[in-house]
Amino acid sequence: SQTIHQWPATLVQPVGSPLSLECTVEGTSNPNLYWYRQAAGRGLQLLFYSVGIGQISSEVPQNLSASRPQDRQFILSSKKLLLSDSGFYLCAWSRSADTQYFGPGTRLTVL
Amino acid sequence: AQSVSQHNHHVILSEAASLELGCNYSYGGTVNLFWYVQYPGQHLQLLLKYFSGDPLVKGIKGFEAEFIKSKFSFNLRKPSVQWSDTAEYFCAVNSGAGSYQLTFGKGTKLSVIP
Repeated sequence: SQTIHQWPATLVQPVGSPLSLECTVEGTSNPNLYWYRQAAGRGLQLLFYSVGIGQISSEVPQNLSASRPQDRQFILSSKKLLLSDSGFYLCAWSRSADTQYFGPGTRLTVL
Repeated sequence: AQSVSQHNHHVILSEAASLELGCNYSYGGTVNLFWYVQYPGQHLQLLLKYFSGDPLVKGIKGFEAEFIKSKFSFNLRKPSVQWSDTAEYFCAVNSGAGSYQLTFGKGTKLSVIP
């Protein structure tokens, strides 16, 4: 069966520091991968998605970037965090444009 | 652009009460529809989905949802809720034409009182 991992589970970072969140999927090959941000009372917002290694689509222009160095690895990064980057970040995977399955998430607090 | 509306922000019910959570979307073409649930401290999980066929779909834990195309709605129902159904529920839509973008509603928090 497929599993999706995210780390770290929680992170507290100062404003202006860099960020790297990692997501890996096991038990499937060539998945579509997604990064979402979940804000309280605002639902989930798609940030990036990837249909293959090195292929990244950005849905919302912002302070963040994504990379996919390996087939089942998806990384969310920032060079300099802003206070507004605080939130709950979810990674998801799917086969083609089918159902998306979500990871446990990373709670990021920027101080 | 498509959008999803969940009209109830917080619903409080007693155990054994019936549940209906509203979801409306705005998109004129073919859609795939989903309900996800997030139990306290747990992953976001798929509850049920509709792609085509019978508009009444059944999911896990006794939940069902009905797709009414004329009303652009996909309401979630359960005849008798339990305390363990306390969670946040999200409706989501994609355009169904090979679209990767899943648009979520803002979520409805359900609190079930024993």
